[in-house]
Amino acid sequence: EAAVTQSPRNKVTVTGGNVTLSCRQTNSHNYMYWYRQDTGHGLRLIHYSYGAGNLQIGDVPDGYKATRTTQEDFFLLLELASPSQTSLYFCASSEWGTNSDYTFGSGTRLLVI
Amino acid sequence: KTQVEQSPQSLVVRQGENCVLQCNYSVTPDNHLRWFKQDTGKGLVSLTVLVDQKDKTSNGRYSATLDKDAKHSTLHITATLLDDTATYICVVGDRGSALGRLHFGAGTQLIVIP
Repeated sequence: EAAVTQSPRNKVTVTGGNVTLSCRQTNSHNYMYWYRQDTGHGLRLIHYSYGAGNLQIGDVPDGYKATRTTQEDFFLLLELASPSQTSLYFCASSEWGTNSDYTFGSGTRLLVI
Repeated sequence: KTQVEQSPQSLVVRQGENCVLQCNYSVTPDNHLRWFKQDTGKGLVSLTVLVDQKDKTSNGRYSATLDKDAKHSTLHITATLLDDTATYICVVGDRGSALGRLHFGAGTQLIVIP
């Protein structure tokens, strides 16, 4: 079954720490996205990609890097984590853009202390 | 500025009752609108997508309307079940293409009690 799998499910790190969130999709979708979800806010787009080696900047990219190593794998990197990056992170994939079906992962909850 | 506003913020209903969730938006252009269901601690699952200027969709006990002139959508849930307890998120897509962006509401938290 087509899916988006995120790891880890939960992560705790200290301020200034280095964190990598992983996402793998088996949908054969071209587009992959990283969002953050905070209480009282809608999901906000951090970075996205439309294929291996491609990276596009989203709406809240500061403090985040991302890399799309293959069609299936999309990583989100926090190189100097800050408490403001404590959030619930979702990865998603879609076939060709906003008007096609989206598949979301189950999320990674990150706590920066 | 928030471009997608959902109301109410939270709602408690008894099992078997009907409920209506509202979504108002200011996103322009507004290519399509989706409703997602998010169970606690889980990802978002698409319930329905509305595309036309005045559109209606139905998916089991879920039905939705869209009026692009009013920039307003509703999600109706009939005969609620305990499993309907979740956050319902309204999302507006500004273009039907790879250049588009999705604009997310903050969600309505629905709690269904016995």
